[in-house]
Amino acid sequence: GAGVSQSPRYKVAKRGQDVALRCDPISGHVSLFWYQQALGQGPEFLTYFQNEAQLDKSGLPSDRFFAERPEGSVSTLKIQRTQQEDSAVYLCASSFWGHGNEKLFFGSGTQLSVL
Amino acid sequence: KQEVTQIPAALSVPEGENLVLNCSFTDSAIYNLQWFRQDPGKGLTSLLLIQSSQREQTSGRLNASLDKSSGRSTLYIAASQPGDSATYLCAGETSGSRLTFGEGTQLTVNP
Repeated sequence: GAGVSQSPRYKVAKRGQDVALRCDPISGHVSLFWYQQALGQGPEFLTYFQNEAQLDKSGLPSDRFFAERPEGSVSTLKIQRTQQEDSAVYLCASSFWGHGNEKLFFGSGTQLSVL
Repeated sequence: KQEVTQIPAALSVPEGENLVLNCSFTDSAIYNLQWFRQDPGKGLTSLLLIQSSQREQTSGRLNASLDKSSGRSTLYIAASQPGDSATYLCAGETSGSRLTFGEGTQLTVNP
């Protein structure tokens, strides 16, 4: 497809379960970002990749969160031992260069509900 | 740490009105200021990007301005239409390409 694709669209997890969220960026885009959006809030930065290199992971809220992009294209955000406070929409975005002053293209997000 | 605030949180207007959405930021050392639109259950769509060296950008009925010295940006929507109903988010880009978002303005344009 032409846009950023995220799967699954919805995920319900029991507290303590591990989850994996997938992002397919626009083909050829160098930079990939993950954001977390709580209900009624603006998105908050989690982490940033340039190709396969994770350049910034300062926004990850705890060591239960892990992201990877091993071949510089598809990325996976993994959350271990999910907690109720992890419930949010997880948005992925990509840009061609990521050197700043570029528009970001966002996916539709994965809505995670932890029961 | 960059903080971004948007006023008002919600706005309801009749069709055809011109309207202004406000965004303020605390750190003037931004690379750019971006405006996004978010429809319910959807991701964000980039509307306008104003680089730090620019004062404004226009796209169709949308015009965004940036005043770094006062830490403010406005999004002007002319002749609003029901299809403009959405949440509008502004975000400042600082070092490392990360965006800091405001909480958004939820706009409803009534037919």
